[in-house]
Amino acid sequence: GESVGLHLPTLSVQEGDNSIINCAYSNSASDYFIWYKQESGKGPQFIIDIRSNMDKRQGQRVTVLLNKTVKHLSLQIAATQPGDSAVYFCAENTGGYNKLIFGAGTRLAVHP
Amino acid sequence: EAQVTQNPRYLITVTGKKLTVTCSQNMNHEYMSWYRQDPGLGLRQIYYSMNVEVTDKGDVPEGYKVSRKEKRNFPLILESPSPNQTSLYFCASKITGDYGYTFGSGTRLTVV
Repeated sequence: GESVGLHLPTLSVQEGDNSIINCAYSNSASDYFIWYKQESGKGPQFIIDIRSNMDKRQGQRVTVLLNKTVKHLSLQIAATQPGDSAVYFCAENTGGYNKLIFGAGTRLAVHP
Repeated sequence: EAQVTQNPRYLITVTGKKLTVTCSQNMNHEYMSWYRQDPGLGLRQIYYSMNVEVTDKGDVPEGYKVSRKEKRNFPLILESPSPNQTSLYFCASKITGDYGYTFGSGTRLTVV
């Protein structure tokens, strides 16, 4: 697989536990945020998004929380499964539709 | 199947030898973009295109060229590759006015 995970922080969880992946973003004017999942050997895949006028958004087994006061974003994965093992990126939109800035990523390792 | 297709997946070349990485999407997206991904740095935008014959520089354009002669294709050209262009490259597309990208599977380029 691709070695995108080198030098990344790693979160290790047991299968069935809940996972929380955190992201600090840089621009207080950012109005839109996305979480992407990148499995080994694949390109990033969209998971969930949230606009800056919201604090929380839920999807299937995933929840994104936004704290604009401290410029913090988190992704919660319920009942983590082995298939959730991947690198997770947050991205912020800093202006217009062409200014997505990606974070460095966090590797999630799920153990049986 | 809606997808972004990049070729080749892996490429090893020598310094100074011109190369082209192809990218094609079948979703009729107006907007296409190239990113490079390096350990610890996340995804950084190289060039983007808002439509046919409309291209612009991203954050790290030096040493790269692009063209957009057809809506579906957006090749990345390295006229004289150097070792610091060794990286994992992703092509992505989206609908103009939307935020979320569809990414290709990546091209691992090594320049020796």
